[in-house]
Amino acid sequence: ETGVTQTPRHLVMGMTNKKSLKCEQHLGHNAMYWYKQSAKKPLELMFVYNFKEQTENNSVPSRFSPECPNSSHLFLHLHTLQPEDSALYLCASSQAGESSGANVLTFGAGSRLTVL
Amino acid sequence: GQNIDQPTEMTATEGAIVQINCTYQTSGFNGLFWYQQHAGEAPTFLSYNVLDGLEEKGRFSSFLSRSKGYSYLLLKELQMKDSASYLCAVMDSNYQLIWGAGTKLIIKP
Repeated sequence: ETGVTQTPRHLVMGMTNKKSLKCEQHLGHNAMYWYKQSAKKPLELMFVYNFKEQTENNSVPSRFSPECPNSSHLFLHLHTLQPEDSALYLCASSQAGESSGANVLTFGAGSRLTVL
Repeated sequence: GQNIDQPTEMTATEGAIVQINCTYQTSGFNGLFWYQQHAGEAPTFLSYNVLDGLEEKGRFSSFLSRSKGYSYLLLKELQMKDSASYLCAVMDSNYQLIWGAGTKLIIKP
């Protein structure tokens, strides 16, 4: 496998369920990201892990919980979500440096989440 | 606040040329990115501009004017496979990416 792989591709869950999204990168990158993509809206950065340390948490509700066990794997744990959380969740990775002007992101195809 | 503006949707004809504009107002500037996203697929990197001018890469070119806070993506010899959303993003002074909402490009035969 190459690139960034996300599973599952589609997920339907009730508001009381607990589920997890998984992301795996095979590029040797040192940074991983979770983004939320809603129709006709800009990408929203949720979490950033740089060298396995969480460096960003952009005021994301606690019903979203990230986990980064190593530099190749990233999870997003979901519980008691709301219907407005329905969106495409994109994982990305990059090789981040100190002056990362050209910090090119490699994205996965996303997990389409529907909350009933 | 920081803001990226790009048209919501554009339509063009196969074989023609289309220009997708992006204007930005950000706290500092460390480069501008264009990504392509086909429906149901991952966004993929197209171009990066940090200096003024035109960068050409095959059928795609990207232009930047930092003084005007303006960029465009130029697609030549359009093909049906170019139907996709095109995302503009600017890296600000804190190396945070600020994204536009994307431009959906529809190519007609």
